[in-house]
Amino acid sequence: EPEVTQTPSHQVTQMGQEVILRCVPISNHLYFYWYRQILGQKVEFLVSFYNNEISEKSEIFDDQFSVERPDGSNFTLKIRSTKLEDSAMYFCASSQSGGSNQPQHFGDGTRLSIL
Amino acid sequence: AQSVSQHNHHVILSEAASLELGCNYSYGGTVNLFWYVQYPGQHLQLLLKYFSGDPLVKGIKGFEAEFIKSKFSFNLRKPSVQWSDTAEYFCAVNAGSWGKLQFGAGTQVVVTP
Repeated sequence: EPEVTQTPSHQVTQMGQEVILRCVPISNHLYFYWYRQILGQKVEFLVSFYNNEISEKSEIFDDQFSVERPDGSNFTLKIRSTKLEDSAMYFCASSQSGGSNQPQHFGDGTRLSIL
Repeated sequence: AQSVSQHNHHVILSEAASLELGCNYSYGGTVNLFWYVQYPGQHLQLLLKYFSGDPLVKGIKGFEAEFIKSKFSFNLRKPSVQWSDTAEYFCAVNAGSWGKLQFGAGTQVVVTP
């Protein structure tokens, strides 16, 4: 079964540094998402992306965050100047089509630790 | 405020016992409902979903869930669990927002042999 892959599995970064989290969605999927889960808290929606544009973003997704699909396969999340509170598990997801009833397929996540 | 609540944070039960995990949501209007499972060391996997039709939906691995609109609930059930069902289970809701899933806090289920 096709999978969403995320790299790296664990990223350790100094506060204030930029970090890029990478995702390869399932190849025929057109809609992409990022979620995060701070330790002990719920999985939270960050952003959805379609046709090279952000479709929706949460209040968490401020100017420090950006997403990009730099080529035909990768989907990246960039945090410009990391803060301690950005430490979390970040999940990428994709779906074949849009719509609120479409199941999303998740990657294994990247654990981001900010020191 | 819109929210998704899972009743139990941690459930321990023996093999062959029945499992029911509660999920309630607080959205008006049309909702699409999902249960995801995360086995240790693995990614979130879709167990089942409901968006219309028969409110009793069947998913993979013998799981089912019942949507009760009047109770704003979407409880997950399995008549007889196995040790391999040890995992964390997440209820999620999409209330018409394009692609945005709202998750519950998750329920850690441990099945003992």
